[in-house]
Amino acid sequence: QVQLVQSGAEVKKPGASVKVSCKASGYTFTSYGISWVRQAPGQGLEWMGWISAYNGNTNYAQKLQGRVTMTTDTSTSTAYMELRSLRSDDTAVYYCARDEIYGPLQLMITFGGRRGDAFDIWGQGTMVTVSS
Amino acid sequence: DVVMTQSPLSLPVTLGQPASISCRSSQSLVYSDGNTYLNWFQQRPGQSPRRLIYKVSNRDSGVPDRFSGSGSGTDFTLKISRVEAEDVGVYYCMQGTHWPWTFGQGTKVEIK
Repeated sequence: QVQLVQSGAEVKKPGASVKVSCKASGYTFTSYGISWVRQAPGQGLEWMGWISAYNGNTNYAQKLQGRVTMTTDTSTSTAYMELRSLRSDDTAVYYCARDEIYGPLQLMITFGGRRGDAFDIWGQGTMVTVSS
Repeated sequence: DVVMTQSPLSLPVTLGQPASISCRSSQSLVYSDGNTYLNWFQQRPGQSPRRLIYKVSNRDSGVPDRFSGSGSGTDFTLKISRVEAEDVGVYYCMQGTHWPWTFGQGTKVEIK
């Protein structure tokens, strides 16, 4: 079945980095993108950014620019999210979710439209705790 | 960025009664292709979010037909025709029209 399986929980000290993986199965990885979303304890959902699994293009949330890097390994159908210079307010559950192959404008140029079926599949979440 | 505002933030409901959640966006969610990319998600306690509705009113496979989505432009609504115990959780709207994608604050549905 179509699924995204994420790596296990992490505990990091302030200033360190964390790299979370998201392995896709059951579909053609390079026909989609991956978005990353995080959720601080007791809080709502925050979109962090997107990567195309087809060409590696990315779009990051402005507040995380310079600290986050998203990559993919198409040989293993795995997406990665690395967050650097961790702070206590980065403590959260991190989710990956299937998104569209291109950004909105490129979808219009390439296909003349969008599928609009993004975020149909989510990973199980990875708890990242930042504590001294 | 597009701000998504949900109301109410807390919704106590009697089993078998209807429930309605409002979501308003700070700008129109109609994309240049004429479609509106507004999703609704359910997050049960301890679980990942699950998409219920995409493009305003399209129900995902396996979602009970007591869930329905409606709206246009900047005003959207998720309705549950008859709330069941398994519907307890937090519901989020999310716009996928304008980058960055943004979510509403969430509405917590609980049983009275």
